[in-house]
Amino acid sequence: EDQVTQSPEALRLQEGESSSLNCSYTVSGLRGLFWYRQDPGKGPEFLFTLYSAGEEKEKERLKATLTKKESFLHITAPKPEDSATYLCAVHPVSSSASKIIFGSGTRLSIRP
Amino acid sequence: SAVISQKPSRDICQRGTSLTIQCQVDSQVTMMFWYRQQPGQSLTLIATANQGSEATYESGFVIDKFPISRPNLTFSTLTVSNMSPEDSSIYLCSVEGGSGTGSYEQYFGPGTRLTVT
Repeated sequence: EDQVTQSPEALRLQEGESSSLNCSYTVSGLRGLFWYRQDPGKGPEFLFTLYSAGEEKEKERLKATLTKKESFLHITAPKPEDSATYLCAVHPVSSSASKIIFGSGTRLSIRP
Repeated sequence: SAVISQKPSRDICQRGTSLTIQCQVDSQVTMMFWYRQQPGQSLTLIATANQGSEATYESGFVIDKFPISRPNLTFSTLTVSNMSPEDSSIYLCSVEGGSGTGSYEQYFGPGTRLTVT
């Protein structure tokens, strides 16, 4: 069964303290892996798509990386405005067209 | 990326009633998706809606409870029927990216926060 597991569930950092969020996945084959940011009371905001092991994408203080079993979202020198829930999702080869599977998310809190 | 709007943004409804949620996209899209996000939980796909065909429902979701319309390529509705407090959730619609590169990312509307009393 295709699965996505995110860790930790919650992470509290001091402003400027870099860290990484983990997304582990088990799929028969991967079409794509996605990272989203979700602020309270809002819909998820698309951040990155990764397709193959070794690929990296960057946006401001965020960098996403991908291996054959997991993805990391690295956050460098975070600011309070980076506080949000970060969701990982995968599009397995085995799924029906366009169906993606979401992880449970990591709630990130940055203290000033 | 597409701009997606939803109406209403939130509602409080009584048990046993129904609510229809609207989703409008600023460009024509083939596939639209409806998700439910229960409090503190991640997103669960309810159904996929293609224009001109019946919606495809995921396991655990049925048409009688969540009827969907897709009258054209920019609009869809989801109705939550005969509501109970367990239906209290955020309901989200989304559309697929489509840059022509085989990318399957989805873009989401702002959500409808439903509370059933």
